[in-house]
Order: sequence, then C-alpha cells, then structure tokens
Amino acid sequence: DAKTTQPPSMDCAEGRAANLPCNHSTISGNEYVYWYRQIHSQGPQYIIHGLKNNETNEMASLIITEDRKSSTLILPHATLRDTAVYYCIVSSTQGGSEKLVFGKGTKLTVNP
Amino acid sequence: NAGVTQTPKFQVLKTGQSMTLQCAQDMNHEYMSWYRQDPGMGLRLIHYSVGAGITDQGEVPNGYNVSRSTTEDFPLRLLSAAPSQTSVYFCASSLGSGRAGELFFGEGSRLTVL
Repeated sequence: DAKTTQPPSMDCAEGRAANLPCNHSTISGNEYVYWYRQIHSQGPQYIIHGLKNNETNEMASLIITEDRKSSTLILPHATLRDTAVYYCIVSSTQGGSEKLVFGKGTKLTVNP
Repeated sequence: NAGVTQTPKFQVLKTGQSMTLQCAQDMNHEYMSWYRQDPGMGLRLIHYSVGAGITDQGEVPNGYNVSRSTTEDFPLRLLSAAPSQTSVYFCASSLGSGRAGELFFGEGSRLTVL
C-alpha cells in the first residue's frame, strides 16, 4: 500500500518557487516525512525531513499541515539543476532503509 | 571524505556468471543497504544491515547475498546472474540512532546481464 501520493510531474520556471505537494493521509504519530531527490542517473540525495513543525535548511523548506495529512516541499528559487525526480516518504526514524519505501515520485522540470 | 563509493560503475555479465558489487563508506555509518532501480520504477530494497555482522532481507532479496564483516564495507554478491537482474544498483548508508532515515547514496553500478 502506498503511504504517499504525489503528482507524477510538475513544471516550474527558473527563478520561481517550486512547490511540490505530497499527501500522506494515513501517517501515524511516530512517522516522519522525508524528501529525497534523484537527478538523472545519479544516486538519490536526501533533502529534508520533519515530524510536525515546518523545517528549513540550505536546500529547501518543508511545510507540514497541522493534521499532518499532507506536506509541501518548497524550493524557493528553482534553478535548472533542480530538475529531478522528488520522492516524498513517510517513515519512523526508528528504522533505516527497511522503513523507507521509494515510490515513483514527482518529476520536476525547471524551464528556462 | 569520499562518502559512499561503489565499484564497478559499469559491468556486463553473461547469464550464469557470478560477481560482487562493492560498496564502501568512510562516515562510520551503522546502516548500509542495497537498492535496485529498474526503468520507470522507484528504488526497491534488496538487503540491508544495521551494523557489522548483522544483515537482513529487503523487498527483493532472491538471487543476491550480502555480508557485513566490517562497518565500512557491504558487498552485494550475485550468485548466478540472470537477465532479470539487469538494473542499476545503489548502495546507501546512514548513521542510525535516530538519523537512520537520512541516507547517503553512492553513484550507482549499472549492470547488464546478457
């Protein structure tokens, strides 16, 4: 059973904010929301994760709704290099790889 | 730090041959794992390890063996290669201890089985 639902593809103009949505309506209390991205042919790259508070780091911001049933990854000023597949994953941090299930993600295309 | 290093980057095998994909990390990570990625699909977990001497099966373990004799190394062995094992293989590691979900991935090993 898929724990997350993401749109298969999105487009964004270079320099604009990219807002990638993720639905996780069955998330449980001890599960975090993780975001990864995979640039073509490379290994996936960890971006950010959060439990219920909004999080920000040098790469992106993560906004989680109050009911925790959905979240949005924000790339504030998208560049061409941000073109990638973005994966939203819910998992308990008590587990490692065995708890992270990578679905098909959202293919984000940043256009010049 | 080199991070997670995978070798070889490319390999062509004939059906029935065996080989080992190497994975090494220099970050003293407890967790290590192997994934495969087929065209148009997400990553699928093959095997994982939560520490030296401990391994366990993931979603698609058949046809693969692993061992973890040191913290740094986590080789993946294909016992008798089959065309269905043509794929891109990724090794990953993480700290564990509450940060197990922050995976660092290698650049991948592209395997073709003829």
